[in-house]
Amino acid sequence: GESVGLHLPTLSVQEGDNSIINCAYSNSASDYFIWYKQESGKGPQFIIDIRSNMDKRQGQRVTVLLNKTVKHLSLQIAATQPGDSAVYFCAEDAGGTSYGKLTFGQGTILTVHP
Amino acid sequence: KAGVTQTPRYLIKTRGQQVTLSCSPISGHRSVSWYQQTPGQGLQFLFEYFSETQRNKGNFPGRFSGRQFSNSRSEMNVSTLELGDSALYLCASSFFRRGNTIYFGEGSWLTVV
Repeated sequence: GESVGLHLPTLSVQEGDNSIINCAYSNSASDYFIWYKQESGKGPQFIIDIRSNMDKRQGQRVTVLLNKTVKHLSLQIAATQPGDSAVYFCAEDAGGTSYGKLTFGQGTILTVHP
Repeated sequence: KAGVTQTPRYLIKTRGQQVTLSCSPISGHRSVSWYQQTPGQGLQFLFEYFSETQRNKGNFPGRFSGRQFSNSRSEMNVSTLELGDSALYLCASSFFRRGNTIYFGEGSWLTVV
């Protein structure tokens, strides 16, 4: 079946570096995408979202890029901090009658070294 | 503003028993979804409720059920527990429209022994 997948399971960076986490999706009908951060022992925390009619959206220190041509999504974190260490998930909303259903990628473990 | 609240946070059950998990959505949110998270399968959608009606259901056996009350609070039940049901069960809430941001609770850790 269609799914959202992540290219890199782990990412290790130095404090202050910029981080880029990638995600590939296969459902061309998906029209809404979300990035979540999950720290150990906690639930997923909303970071930023983007709709399919946009290519880029910026938040505080984060930017999400959407390339519908190649079905690719990325999360950029500027000036990465140790507190950014967590598992990052991309999720897609397939549209139609998929109420409340998000399809999640496997997740990328981001480790930030001081 | 309080977030999504789930109870209990941790519980241990014996195989064959049943369990009920509770979720209080963010105030004003009327859609509640449930997910199962395991190391092997990741985050998987269980079901979604709105106005006390199940609008969507994932690919889980009938042992997994849920309901929503008139105040939007929701419960999920797992009957005849199996060892493989050990997981983090996450509740999420949003306003009623598709495309509204979905916020998650901290989850209920279920261990089946």
